[in-house]
Amino acid sequence: DVKVTQSSRYLVKRTGEKVFLECVQDMDHENMFWYRQDPGLGLRLIYFSYDVKMKEKGDIPEGYSVSREKKERFSLILESASTNQTSMYLCASSFRLAGERDNEQFFGPGTRLTVL
Amino acid sequence: QKEVEQNSGPLSVPEGAIASLNCTYSDRGSQSFFWYRQYSGKSPELIMSIYSNGDKEDGRFTAQLNKASQYVSLLIRDSQPSDSATYLCAVMGMIADKLIFGTGTRLQVFP
Repeated sequence: DVKVTQSSRYLVKRTGEKVFLECVQDMDHENMFWYRQDPGLGLRLIYFSYDVKMKEKGDIPEGYSVSREKKERFSLILESASTNQTSMYLCASSFRLAGERDNEQFFGPGTRLTVL
Repeated sequence: QKEVEQNSGPLSVPEGAIASLNCTYSDRGSQSFFWYRQYSGKSPELIMSIYSNGDKEDGRFTAQLNKASQYVSLLIRDSQPSDSATYLCAVMGMIADKLIFGTGTRLQVFP
């Protein structure tokens, strides 16, 4: 079974703090993704990565950065947390596109971040 | 126009009935389509994928794809209260490997 784990289920931080969210997958997936999910807005892609040390901006990258030093690990960094970054953060991983198949995304359990 | 559209619901069906969930998408070049189930407070869980026009069945679930109409649906037969969740439609967009998600349809199955 694919397993995607995230470092924390719940996290409370203060405005201005630097926040690290970690994601690890054990299926040798090339692709990793960070989303945030907010009521009424659905899942929005923050950043994704096709390979080690590679990153691509998603739809809402402002205020975030990422790091992928190892294939299995993808970190999301909030440089200076703000209250509007209070959200559920979801990590996902998938194989690189191989035809039309085998590229389903599998999600971690999520981190509910509250910024006070 | 949103890239992937779903009715937010709630869709309420009695136990044992067929629940029909619908999704339309705007990118005609899309090739891969997915349905995820998300329970409240949990992360999305993949339940179906479909790549070709027609129907794909897996247990009580049937996914239907019509690329000409840019329409994908999910049927849940013999609905159970445990099926009550939000169902997310996701489409592989122009950028390979990147999914576009709808905002989800909330399904309520009442006994």
